[in-house]
Amino acid sequence: DAGVIQSPRHEVTEMGQEVTLRCKPISGHDYLFWYRQTMMRGLELLIYFNNNVPIDDSGMPEDRFSAKMPNASFSTLKIQPSEPRDSAVYFCASSSRTGTLSGYTFGSGTRLTVV
Amino acid sequence: DQQVKQNSPSLSVQEGRISILNCDYTNSMFDYFLWYKKYPAEGPTFLISISSIKDKNEDGRFTVFLNKSAKHLSLHIVPSQPGDSAVYFCAASAQAGTALIFGKGTTLSVSS
Repeated sequence: DAGVIQSPRHEVTEMGQEVTLRCKPISGHDYLFWYRQTMMRGLELLIYFNNNVPIDDSGMPEDRFSAKMPNASFSTLKIQPSEPRDSAVYFCASSSRTGTLSGYTFGSGTRLTVV
Repeated sequence: DQQVKQNSPSLSVQEGRISILNCDYTNSMFDYFLWYKKYPAEGPTFLISISSIKDKNEDGRFTVFLNKSAKHLSLHIVPSQPGDSAVYFCAASAQAGTALIFGKGTTLSVSS
């Protein structure tokens, strides 16, 4: 298994532009999570899906952020319009459960820089 | 309000000595506690975990201790190696229906 695959690895965009981050979870995992890492807040949960349905989006910072999971093998996180404070590393993770001693498998992340 | 707290942003240890990373939590509903390790430019990787019914779990050089009454857990690495230098995240979740909540992380530096 190739693990959780995220693209792009790096994204530099200008303020006001739309940004789309992509994630392919591990096949067979029913849960997909989007996290964001910043120095100030550490790893914070943005949203998670179960069987392609959003379950908890309370971590999504504002209406500029949206996430979709059109099928079991693909999810997107979109920021429109982007702002400099959105600069962070965005991680996607997948798992067969939410509460688990095995944890989640994370992708390598997308480093977003908004200038 | 942070439910999982790692109050030490960084820790420096000499090779061969013990590294102790600490984590506190506030939610008494947490049942699973995990430690993740993260190298630069990589995603976090699972290291070790413990359920709330235990107070210790050991895996090679890594041991996690859980003190439920104090809502505190710690990760011990013995002996520490330079390859252990990384950011360590503490995480917790309830048994079902809630996602892992992470702390801010502690950067461990092991010098040779």
